[in-house]
Amino acid sequence: ETGVTQSPTHLIKTRGQQVTLRCSSQSGHNTVSWYQQALGQGPQFIFQYYREEENGRGNFPPRFSGLQFPNYSSELNVNALELDDSALYLCASSPPGTSGRNEQFFGPGTRLTVL
Amino acid sequence: AQSVTQPDIHITVSEGASLELRCNYSYGATPYLFWYVQSPGQGLQLLLKYFSGDTLVQGIKGFEAEFKRSQSSFNLRKPSVHWSDAAEYFCAVGARNNNDMRFGAGTRLTVKP
Repeated sequence: ETGVTQSPTHLIKTRGQQVTLRCSSQSGHNTVSWYQQALGQGPQFIFQYYREEENGRGNFPPRFSGLQFPNYSSELNVNALELDDSALYLCASSPPGTSGRNEQFFGPGTRLTVL
Repeated sequence: AQSVTQPDIHITVSEGASLELRCNYSYGATPYLFWYVQSPGQGLQLLLKYFSGDTLVQGIKGFEAEFKRSQSSFNLRKPSVHWSDAAEYFCAVGARNNNDMRFGAGTRLTVKP
């Protein structure tokens, strides 16, 4: 069974640019959540996707957007990058029927550096 | 909304000694509670979780945690720490009415030989 995978592993961008991060959910999982983890902090919830629809959102501006595809993989898009967007971005997937219990399985993350 | 506090930023214990990591949560009803571990450069691995029932839960790698409603706490324990336990530990709380899981700021564990 393949776990949650994320690409790329590392990414360097400059202020004002746009970035797309990708996540493949664990086999059989239909819910994907995205988190931002700044250095020395705990992960912060960005949003969740269920059946290709946004299903909850944290306190992040609209320039953070996402997609979920029919195979349940997902993308996180960030427009107009700011220095404070530098962080580890974590994707987590959940099996059917458990999203309410937040049983989430995390990928290794994408380290984004904004210069 | 729910929230989590981990009062200890950094803890150092000797190998073989016991460990307790503190977690306090804020939520109006019975929460879903989790402990995750993160090794450097890695994602989060679930150690254990509490949804309901027995307040003492067993997890992987010899960890356990106890839910104490009266103290709004969910402390993580291990009777004998191994050098490989050195990592960052996160407590998290999920709510029954939303999909927003809140994490604490983490406790970094150092294990002395």
